[in-house]
Amino acid sequence: DAGVTQSPTHLIKTRGQQVTLRCSPKSGHDTVSWYQQALGQGPQFIFQYYEEEERQRGNFPDRFSGHQFPNYSSELNVNALLLGDSALYLCASSSLTYEQYFGPGTRLTVT
Amino acid sequence: GDSVTQMEGPVTLSEEAFLTINCTYTATGYPSLFWYVQYPGEGLQLLLKATKADDKGSNKGFEATYRKETTSFHLEKGSVQVSDSAVYFCALVISYYKLSFGAGTTVTVRA
Repeated sequence: DAGVTQSPTHLIKTRGQQVTLRCSPKSGHDTVSWYQQALGQGPQFIFQYYEEEERQRGNFPDRFSGHQFPNYSSELNVNALLLGDSALYLCASSSLTYEQYFGPGTRLTVT
Repeated sequence: GDSVTQMEGPVTLSEEAFLTINCTYTATGYPSLFWYVQYPGEGLQLLLKATKADDKGSNKGFEATYRKETTSFHLEKGSVQVSDSAVYFCALVISYYKLSFGAGTTVTVRA
């Protein structure tokens, strides 16, 4: 049983560019959450998707957007990248429980 | 808002020493509490959980008890190993939605 998978593993972008990160949830899970983890800090909640809708959103600007597909996989899009967007982006999946299972993350570096 | 405060690190121990990482929370409702562990270069793994007051979560020799009266969920292990070196995050969730994490505590165990 595959766990949560994310792609790509690493990514380097230039300021002002746009990036798309992808996540496939654990089998049987229908809810996907995205978190940003800056170096040396705890993860910060970006948003959560359920039934292809954004269910809740954290304190992130509109440059951060997402999508969930009918197969429950999800994308995180970030527009107009800033240096401060450099972080580890974590995807977590769940299904009607409080337990969220995390993927290995995508390391985004903005230069 | 809902938040978690955990003991600042880093913490350095010798093998077989006793480990305690303090965690306290602030919440408007009745949270579920978690400890996650992050090994170098990896995503987060759920270590243990407790969903109501006086519950004790345990896994891999680690334990934590949900104390409503002191709003705490301290992590303990009686005899640490080098393989326990990691960053430990305390977290809470009120609904099915976002996890709120502490800043993390880096633990290094020396042989």
